[in-house]
Amino acid sequence: DAGVTQSPTHLIKTRGQQVTLRCSPKSGHDTVSWYQQALGQGPQFIFQYYEEEERQRGNFPDRFSGHQFPNYSSELNVNALLLGDSALYLCASSSGTPLDTQYFGPGTRLTVL
Amino acid sequence: GENVEQHPSTLSVQEGDSAVIKCTYSDSASNYFPWYKQELGKRPQLIIDIRSNVGEKKDQRIAVTLNKTAKHFSLHITETQPEDSAVYFCAASNRDDKIIFGKGTRLHILP
Repeated sequence: DAGVTQSPTHLIKTRGQQVTLRCSPKSGHDTVSWYQQALGQGPQFIFQYYEEEERQRGNFPDRFSGHQFPNYSSELNVNALLLGDSALYLCASSSGTPLDTQYFGPGTRLTVL
Repeated sequence: GENVEQHPSTLSVQEGDSAVIKCTYSDSASNYFPWYKQELGKRPQLIIDIRSNVGEKKDQRIAVTLNKTAKHFSLHITETQPEDSAVYFCAASNRDDKIIFGKGTRLHILP
């Protein structure tokens, strides 16, 4: 039973570029949430996808967008990268039932130069 | 807006002693409170969670207590071991499933 997977593990981009991060949920899960974790901080909620639609969104600008596919996998896109976007990006999957446990993937470390 | 405060930011405990981490939350609609452990360079791992219909939950050396009236909850680790050294995050979620995390507590277990 595969857990949550993410790709790539590391990524280096320059300011102004665009990036796409990918997440495959744990088997049996249909909901994917994305978080940004800056160094020394707790994860910050970006948004959540369920049934291919954005269900919840945190306080992140429109440069952050996402998508969920029919197989429940998800992408996080960030446009016009800023230095401050450098962080560990985590996705977490859950069953879609309210208050269900979220399980995290290993994360993608994004460095913006 | 929603907010979760966590204290202390750093905690050093002698091996074998107990460690307590405390959190408060602002959204009275919160009713799910998970705790995650994150080791250096690794993903957050759920260690215990509690839902608002109970006041206390225990799993071996780990326990969590919840006081909904005061809007605070705590993590208790007894008989601490070296492998308990990590960063611990409390979090709170309401029915919308948006989880708000605290800033974390770095726990050091001293030999």
